[in-house]
Amino acid sequence: GAVVSQHPSWVICKSGTSVKIECRSLDFQATTMFWYRQFPKQSLMLMATSNEGSKATYEQGVEKDKFLINHASLTLSTLTVTSAHPEDSSFYICSAPPGRAYGYTFGSGTRLTVV
Amino acid sequence: KNQVEQSPQSLIILEGKNCTLQCNYTVSPFSNLRWYKQDTGRGPVSLTIMTFSENTKSNGRYTATLDADTKQSSLHITASQLSDSASYICVVSGGSNYKLTFGKGTLLTVNP
Repeated sequence: GAVVSQHPSWVICKSGTSVKIECRSLDFQATTMFWYRQFPKQSLMLMATSNEGSKATYEQGVEKDKFLINHASLTLSTLTVTSAHPEDSSFYICSAPPGRAYGYTFGSGTRLTVV
Repeated sequence: KNQVEQSPQSLIILEGKNCTLQCNYTVSPFSNLRWYKQDTGRGPVSLTIMTFSENTKSNGRYTATLDADTKQSSLHITASQLSDSASYICVVSGGSNYKLTFGKGTLLTVNP
């Protein structure tokens, strides 16, 4: 149980275009979803926290207008990287807290490459 | 400042050998500590989760220990396999806002 499905697993896009990443909780309701970015050989860095039905909260230094987060339902949260640039190339991972017994469940990650 | 420090940064062992990874933290208040395994290019997968009152927890060949007094945890891997090659991340949760503090991970390589 407690599976988070993340899609796509990898994407290559041209500079200036937008990319949407989806995370779905498959067998539980996720009122909260965390979005992380991970650079090679680095730890996961929290970008923002999405909450179903309300605005996302962003960590310091993360541009709200560049990383649009939508959490329209209890099972779906999306991250849109707008006007992507090569420096946005990274590994993006979502996670949800389904409950104490399961701990935090992470998506499988999305490798974004902007060319 | 909440921090999680892991050591060693990287480790190479031979298949079949045991190894122990370390995690020290300064997160306060403390809620729980988790160990995750992250294969390259994949999301982290939970190995163990321990609360304040738990000293040890096992998951197959993985055994985690926690000393809440000294704020240290270890992950012991027994009879390593090639598939154990991955990054092992220590994550500490504190407070009620679900925020996690991540260690940088220990990159384990198991060679035949």
